[in-house]
Amino acid sequence: AQTVTQSQPEMSVQEAETVTLSCTYDTSENNYYLFWYKQPPSRQMILVIRQEAYKQQNATENRFSVNFQKAAKSFSLKISDSQLGDTAMYFCASLSGNTPLVFGKGTRLSVIA
Amino acid sequence: DAMVIQNPRYQVTQFGKPVTLSCSQTLNHNVMYWYQQKSSQAPKLLFHYYDKDFNNEADTPDNFQSRRPNTSFCFLDIRSPGLGDAAMYLCATSRDLLGDSNQPQHFGDGTRLSIL
Repeated sequence: AQTVTQSQPEMSVQEAETVTLSCTYDTSENNYYLFWYKQPPSRQMILVIRQEAYKQQNATENRFSVNFQKAAKSFSLKISDSQLGDTAMYFCASLSGNTPLVFGKGTRLSVIA
Repeated sequence: DAMVIQNPRYQVTQFGKPVTLSCSQTLNHNVMYWYQQKSSQAPKLLFHYYDKDFNNEADTPDNFQSRRPNTSFCFLDIRSPGLGDAAMYLCATSRDLLGDSNQPQHFGDGTRLSIL
């Protein structure tokens, strides 16, 4: 069974600063995918970034990047130059095989002006 | 343009009164999912359809049922809502079962269900 753990229920960051959200996972599969989803208050969940486990290079999407440590089963999200619009719940998720996404419990990020 | 549409955004029902939530998609995706998300918690998968094949999660209560009359629409029926069923219900789609590809799920805005 897959598990995803987010150990930071809440975090805050000053506007324009950098913040890192932690995520660890556990899976017995060799091939799997990892995701970070963002859920702003009262708005839909959207995909921020994804990582294929077979790729060693860390994924980046503009201000968002990941630090994927496969041996440690760690998948942290770094947000650079934080903006007020980044305020949201962030969910780490994994999937493999034909099983649906497994989500972590989420981290509530507040960006402070 | 919205690709996964959930109606209504807010639904209020009475304790024990059946309620139906709807979801439609314009993506022509094979898979549709229903999640329950309670406040400050991760979404919990209730069930999913791969085309017409229904897949129920083992811990989904019998009180929750689903219908998918065609590719575009999927319904969540709660036969006798209890106070504990108050939550946000999220519909999502994906082109295939995600293990076959790295296509992400597309989520709707959700329906927030309140029980009086």
